[in-house]
Amino acid sequence: AQSVTQLDSQVPVFEEAPVELRCNYSSSVSVYLFWYVQYPNQGLQLLLKYLSGSTLVKGINGFEAEFNKSQTSFHLRKPSVHISDTAEYFCAVKNSGAGSYQLTFGKGTKLSVIP
Amino acid sequence: GAVVSQHPSWVICKSGTSVKIECRSLDFQATTMFWYRQFPKQSLMLMATSNEGSKATYEQGVEKDKFLINHASLTLSTLTVTSAHPEDSSFYICSARDRGRALTDTQYFGPGTRLTVL
Repeated sequence: AQSVTQLDSQVPVFEEAPVELRCNYSSSVSVYLFWYVQYPNQGLQLLLKYLSGSTLVKGINGFEAEFNKSQTSFHLRKPSVHISDTAEYFCAVKNSGAGSYQLTFGKGTKLSVIP
Repeated sequence: GAVVSQHPSWVICKSGTSVKIECRSLDFQATTMFWYRQFPKQSLMLMATSNEGSKATYEQGVEKDKFLINHASLTLSTLTVTSAHPEDSSFYICSARDRGRALTDTQYFGPGTRLTVL
């Protein structure tokens, strides 16, 4: 079984400031890692994912995340946020084994960008 | 890119009635679709996994007779909430795996359906 912990339920940040949204996971097997963004009353949109290879993953909208296996973390970062980044962000993990499709989500972090 | 649609986007119904929610993959074939439920300010909870041509696999605690899932084709899965009650009010989201891009291991999410039961 896997679990995902998003340490901050809410993160307020001023426009053009950097932000880091934290995600830690627990798993007894190798995993794939994902970050999704959800705007109000909408579904989820994939920001980025780590499957293998380079531990620094770049995604859409200027976001990036770094996979740290020793710390079991996959923190999301952006050097300069915009008002339009205000949304809920979900970290998720999935067993990397073949035939395993289920995603396990964290509880989400609400990012509020202050003008 | 891969697009998943849901219909309706918002539905209000009376207690005791049944509601059907459709999930469609518009530009790809999805052998596997997932149904999630999201309560206000909470994460997504997987309800069931829907496989084309076979019975859905329900997560522990989800009533299969209450939430009927039918994956009729490679592009359509439906969730029917039978005899809905106010506690079934929630945001229901579906996702789909692209059969042709299985190696990317990505689920594409629909925009969600907000169900309000009066």
